[in-house]
Amino acid sequence: DVKVTQSSRYLVKRTGEKVFLECVQDMDHENMFWYRQDPGLGLRLIYFSYDVKMKEKGDIPEGYSVSREKKERFSLILESASTNQTSMYLCASSPGTGGGQPQHFGDGTRLSIL
Amino acid sequence: QQQVKQSPQSLIVQKGGISIINCAYENTAFDYFPWYQQFPGKGPALLIAIRPDVSEKKEGRFTISFNKSAKQFSLHIMDSQPGDSATYFCAASWRDMRFGAGTRLTVKP
Repeated sequence: DVKVTQSSRYLVKRTGEKVFLECVQDMDHENMFWYRQDPGLGLRLIYFSYDVKMKEKGDIPEGYSVSREKKERFSLILESASTNQTSMYLCASSPGTGGGQPQHFGDGTRLSIL
Repeated sequence: QQQVKQSPQSLIVQKGGISIINCAYENTAFDYFPWYQQFPGKGPALLIAIRPDVSEKKEGRFTISFNKSAKQFSLHIMDSQPGDSATYFCAASWRDMRFGAGTRLTVKP
């Protein structure tokens, strides 16, 4: 089974801090994704990556950046955390073949910014 | 802009009943339509998926109905059980994936 592991289940940070969320997948998937999940809004795509060192903006990239130095690892960075970034963050991966493919999710990081 | 619209937001069904959740999409480039099931404290898990070359797919008690011309698809859960109580997300994908807002299903015993 595909395993997507997010380094923290719960995280509490202060306004203005630089925050790193880590995600690792073990299935050699080319594609990795970061979403935030808020009640009533579903999952919104922040950033995604189709290959090492590549990244593309999703629907809500403002205030975030990402890093993918190795194929299995995709990091989400909050440059200067703000209270409106309090949310559940989900990482996912999928194989790189053409067209839509199933995404496999981690269990999420619930981030609180105080 | 919301590319995938999902309804209803919440649904209460009696045990043994049929649960129906509907989704509509806009982008005709989408070629993969999954449904995800999410329990509290867990990430979404793939439940069932369909590609637009078929109109229906059934796996156990779960069925996707797909209407390409109307750009709509739906999830039917037959003989709904209390263990099915969860949040369900529809999605549509080409390279990246767009999700509906979710439906919270409660199955009463």
